Amino acid sequence: EPEVTQTPSHQVTQMGQEVILRCVPISNHLYFYWYRQILGQKVEFLVSFYNNEISEKSEIFDDQFSVERPDGSNFTLKIRSTKLEDSAMYFCASSEAGPDTQYFGPGTRLTVL
Amino acid sequence: AQKVTQAQTEISVVEKEDVTLDCVYETRDTTYYLFWYKQPPSGELVFLIRRNSFDEQNEISGRYSWNFQKSTSSFNFTITASQVVDSAVYFCALSEGNAGGTSYGKLTFGQGTILTVHP
Repeated sequence: EPEVTQTPSHQVTQMGQEVILRCVPISNHLYFYWYRQILGQKVEFLVSFYNNEISEKSEIFDDQFSVERPDGSNFTLKIRSTKLEDSAMYFCASSEAGPDTQYFGPGTRLTVL
Repeated sequence: AQKVTQAQTEISVVEKEDVTLDCVYETRDTTYYLFWYKQPPSGELVFLIRRNSFDEQNEISGRYSWNFQKSTSSFNFTITASQVVDSAVYFCALSEGNAGGTSYGKLTFGQGTILTVHP
């Protein structure tokens, strides 16, 4: 069964460093998403991406964040200058259409020291 | 703005008990979608069910059942004869649809309910 994959599973970085989180969505899906979950809290929407552009973003998704689909399979989230409060689990998800079921990857745990 | 409330922070039951997880939502749209996801201790988010706002039929899948009531804006989830493997955090989520076809599917999650099933 097709699944969303994410790498790395755990990333440790120093405050102020840039990180890139990688995702491979399900191959026939057209909509891509990033969410984050601070430890013990709810899952929060960051950004949706469709047709090679951002379709919606939350207040969390400020200028420090960017997304890219560099080729036909990868979908990346870049945090330009990490802060302590960026420490969280980051989930990638994809769906065939906007309101369709989103399937989530296993997540990348980002720890900012 | 859309909102999902899961008032039960934690529920603890003994194996074989039935348990119901509550979910109440708010939206101004007439077209919307409701979801339940399971997050086991390993951390991934596992899709359980999707319901659209026009389909109020209750659904049963094995030991799982869902009760969607638009009149009370609720989408409750019942596990019958719970098992230790059901122990997880359960999230209810809402996505607003758009009749004009411009919905991009942003999910708004509730706070989650931690379910612990004891042997």
